[in-house]
Amino acid sequence: SQTIHQWPATLVQPVGSPLSLECTVEGTSNPNLYWYRQAAGRGLQLLFYSVGIGQISSEVPQNLSASRPQDRQFILSSKKLLLSDSGFYLCAWSVGSGETQYFGPGTRLLVL
Amino acid sequence: EDQVTQSPEALRLQEGESSSLNCSYTVSGLRGLFWYRQDPGKGPEFLFTLYSAGEEKEKERLKATLTKKESFLHITAPKPEDSATYLCAVQRASGYALNFGKGTSLLVTP
Repeated sequence: SQTIHQWPATLVQPVGSPLSLECTVEGTSNPNLYWYRQAAGRGLQLLFYSVGIGQISSEVPQNLSASRPQDRQFILSSKKLLLSDSGFYLCAWSVGSGETQYFGPGTRLLVL
Repeated sequence: EDQVTQSPEALRLQEGESSSLNCSYTVSGLRGLFWYRQDPGKGPEFLFTLYSAGEEKEKERLKATLTKKESFLHITAPKPEDSATYLCAVQRASGYALNFGKGTSLLVTP
């Protein structure tokens, strides 16, 4: 069966510091991978998706970037965090476009 | 622009008291409508996917239905463990993103 991991689970970072969140998927090959953010009082918003190694698409302009160095690894990064980057970051995978997206446990980020 | 509106925002039920959650949507070319359950501090857990008007799916005490403008999640004889936030999302035929509503927070009391 497929499993998705995210770490860290919780992170508190000062404004201006760098960020690296990691997501890995087990039990499937060549998944589509997604990064969503859930901010307080708002619905989940897609930030990035990837259909293959090295292929990244951005849905919204922002302070963040994503990379996919391996088939089942997806990384969310920032060079300098802003207060507005605080939120709950969720990684998800699917077999293909239009297929069900399955979410990981999430990383709660607080920028102070 | 796609829109997903869930109502009510919050719902409190007594154990065994059946009810329905609503998800109204506007989307250009629906590929699918998705229901998820989210417990506090956790990632959303997949419940159902509906693809066309008239489709219905069931799982234990939950039943999801779809029309051309809205979806309902019916909860029959709920139990306290059904307490969670229920999220609705739509996906366009032309895209990858799931466009989520803000959710309905359900509390079932004994």
